[in-house]
Amino acid sequence: KAGVTQTPRYLIKTRGQQVTLSCSPISGHRSVSWYQQTPGQGLQFLFEYFSETQRNKGNFPGRFSGRQFSNSRSEMNVSTLELGDSALYLCASSPIGGYEKLFFGSGTQLSVL
Amino acid sequence: EDKVVQSPLSLVVHEGDTVTLNCSYEVTNFRSLLWYKQEKKAPTFLFMLTSSGIEKKSGRLSSILDKKELSSILNITATQTGDSAIYLCAVDLSQIQGAQKLVFGQGTRLTINP
Repeated sequence: KAGVTQTPRYLIKTRGQQVTLSCSPISGHRSVSWYQQTPGQGLQFLFEYFSETQRNKGNFPGRFSGRQFSNSRSEMNVSTLELGDSALYLCASSPIGGYEKLFFGSGTQLSVL
Repeated sequence: EDKVVQSPLSLVVHEGDTVTLNCSYEVTNFRSLLWYKQEKKAPTFLFMLTSSGIEKKSGRLSSILDKKELSSILNITATQTGDSAIYLCAVDLSQIQGAQKLVFGQGTRLTINP
């Protein structure tokens, strides 16, 4: 069974640009959540989607947005990039909820120059 | 503001030693506390603890929640070099049954020297 797949694995952007990251959950998983990991702030929750609906949202500015498609694949978008957005963005999926079956992808490493 | 604090932030021990990692939390609407191991990039699930206070065990790892002290410990006995990783503590704050909203601590970087 394939794991959670995130693309791209690495990304370099400049300030002011926008970026879209993709996450393909494990087959059959309907919940997808996104996290930002930085050395200073650690892992921070961005949002969670289930059946194309956002169920929870973290404390991030409106520049961070996401969506989920009918096949459960999810994308997150960051507009007007800032240097502080440089981070590892992790996606996690689970069947319907429940953390024992929450699996993380290997992340997208975003560098903003 | 919801807060999860882990200590120590870094720990170096010799193979065979026993270690105890700490996690304390100040949150509203506590549901459960989770421990993850992050070796490279993808954290992997270790334990989920609730206010029941029941200890969880898996091989050389064990964990328990103290709801009065608002804290949890993760014990690793007879450590091996493969235990070297960042150990993350997280608290589930979702108010929606089945939904996810984890608040993580900074993590403890554990290094096991042979």
